[in-house]
Amino acid sequence: DGGITQSPKYLFRKEGQNVTLSCEQNLNHDAMYWYRQDPGQGLRLIYYSQIVNDFQKGDIAEGYSVSREKKESFPLTVTSAQKNPTAFYLCASSIGPVQTGELFFGEGSRLTVL
Amino acid sequence: AQRVTQPEKLLSVFKGAPVELKCNYSYSGSPELFWYVQYSRQRLQLLLRHISRESIKGFTADLNKGETSFHLKKPFAQEEDSAMYYCALIQGTYKYIFGTGTRLKVLA
Repeated sequence: DGGITQSPKYLFRKEGQNVTLSCEQNLNHDAMYWYRQDPGQGLRLIYYSQIVNDFQKGDIAEGYSVSREKKESFPLTVTSAQKNPTAFYLCASSIGPVQTGELFFGEGSRLTVL
Repeated sequence: AQRVTQPEKLLSVFKGAPVELKCNYSYSGSPELFWYVQYSRQRLQLLLRHISRESIKGFTADLNKGETSFHLKKPFAQEEDSAMYYCALIQGTYKYIFGTGTRLKVLA
């Protein structure tokens, strides 16, 4: 079954802890993205990666970090420096530049900081 | 600044009535615009893009550069159209700018 798999679906974290969200794709897509979705704010880009071993900051990268060691994987770490981490996080991929193809999304991960 | 505005958070219409979900944008240059949809318990997915000029599930959207709008329309709403709709444009090569979304409720 091809697609994007995010895990875990739900995650609880205590303040001051780092947490890593997993995103795996088997679509052979070059580009991968992380978005944050908050009520009334739409989707905001955190980080994106065009190819392996390369990534760029999006609009709200502060307090987050990523890696792209494999084409299939683009994990997101929410660090303790992120002031308001409770949110719904969406991972996406595209075959290449978004101008050449649509974004395919995962089911999302909901992070709650206690 | 590049921006996508969806002025309605919630739009309720009766089944069989026409639907128009509004989207306005600000962008310097020639925009590429899209509508994405998220049905209940499903992933966010592409509905249509302006360059393909197609009709998907009865929905159409026309780019109006004069009014900087890309409104999504359907002549007769169906209950299965109830979903969250996001308008988006591409900035540069890799970046989508999404609107805040409009929840469409089609009432029986």
